[in-house]
Amino acid sequence: SSELTQDPAVSVALGQTVRITCQGDSLRNYYASWYQQKPGQAPALVVYGKNIRPSGSPDRFSGSRSGNTASLTITGAQAEDEADYYCNSRDSSGNVWMFGGGTKLTVL
Amino acid sequence: QLQLQESGPGLVKPSETLSLTCTVSGDSISASSYYWGWVRQPPGKGLEWIGSIYYTGNTYYNPSLKSRVTIAVDTSKNQISLKLSSVTAADTAVYYCARQVAHFYYYMDVWGKGTTVPVSS
Repeated sequence: SSELTQDPAVSVALGQTVRITCQGDSLRNYYASWYQQKPGQAPALVVYGKNIRPSGSPDRFSGSRSGNTASLTITGAQAEDEADYYCNSRDSSGNVWMFGGGTKLTVL
Repeated sequence: QLQLQESGPGLVKPSETLSLTCTVSGDSISASSYYWGWVRQPPGKGLEWIGSIYYTGNTYYNPSLKSRVTIAVDTSKNQISLKLSSVTAADTAVYYCARQVAHFYYYMDVWGKGTTVPVSS
């Protein structure tokens, strides 16, 4: 399969933990990267590889993988984490990059 | 500090060719073993990968757009270009360029701010 599937919307209470998932066959071979996008802004990388955060990404963001599912976990969600989140990976051929449909995170 | 800046026409007519440029500053395209990619986002919708180019000129395209897309690199100007032919209203989107890392892990670590391209007569 050459698709990545995400739940369209997820909500979390302020300070609680939330997991955003991404499913796809290619994730058995490739790690996902995760991007946060706030309204009117470009996407920003928050986690990639085997749970690696780029400089500037808060340590409450973490990534994991199990089988064909990648997960982005936010531990202690903050109001500023309300955004759209996209997963990204390569397909099984390795030559095509693809994004999940995105998950809109609401912090209550 | 690496920066990417997209530029292009403010409006494209249906059936014409959309042409965009991504100017890279803070690093030399030819001195770095990175891919450089284009991603677009239609209004209210998700991200779509368009294609990528390696600094050597090797290209990879989204199969759904491959017949209409050309991505090129101009190392003398430190620029990446995108051409999308035979556009329709469905190609209306914000177009982003991004640096892509593809060494064991694969991710896009630096993004331009994006440029909005409406397709309308």
